Amino acid sequence: QQQVKQSPQSLIVQKGGISIINCAYENTAFDYFPWYQQFPGKGPALLIAIRPDVSEKKEGRFTISFNKSAKQFSLHIMDSQPGDSATYFCAAPTDSGYALNFGKGTSLLVTP
Amino acid sequence: NAGVMQNPRHLVRRRGQEARLRCSPMKGHSHVYWYRQLPEEGLKFMVYLQKENIIDESGMPKERFSAEFPKEGPSILRIQQVVRGDSAAYFCASSAGTGRGEQFFGPGTRLTVL
Repeated sequence: QQQVKQSPQSLIVQKGGISIINCAYENTAFDYFPWYQQFPGKGPALLIAIRPDVSEKKEGRFTISFNKSAKQFSLHIMDSQPGDSATYFCAAPTDSGYALNFGKGTSLLVTP
Repeated sequence: NAGVMQNPRHLVRRRGQEARLRCSPMKGHSHVYWYRQLPEEGLKFMVYLQKENIIDESGMPKERFSAEFPKEGPSILRIQQVVRGDSAAYFCASSAGTGRGEQFFGPGTRLTVL
């Protein structure tokens, strides 16, 4: 199964700061890279996703940056808020392209 | 509720019993995926189904696990003769098209094997 490597494992950011989470992937059958946000006891919620015909996608305070040649993509959370405290997962398509391989997650804590 | 529904939310089984997990996809979605999440781990793909067909089961353990998505009714993930290592959160996701697009997750079923 393809690997998706995510870092850091945990992150502490002050309110108003920028949170940055990085992911690296191996070859994929299909270019689609989503980020999910998960709160304790809940299911993952789709946050933002990119199809790399562009190198960057922004939705509100969340931005995905994509580097196809390096096979890396990252999530930037601008003006981080305590309500953003959650676990974030990046994902990339499986070999078949039908499902997703997930990173191990980043636990983000935004302090007041 | 237009979201993905899973039940039960919590399931306790003793070793050797059977566990049945149910998933109703979002309205209009005909593609279902099952993932397993172990504590402090990411989600691991298990199986992808369309109505009455298993499309990709490359992540499914070869023994004791099976899945179906009948023409009528929810998708079911079945675990026979459960062992303690099966304790995990099991998530179902659905999509409108193939997996090459947005997948929406349910709240999960947390299975505990005593």
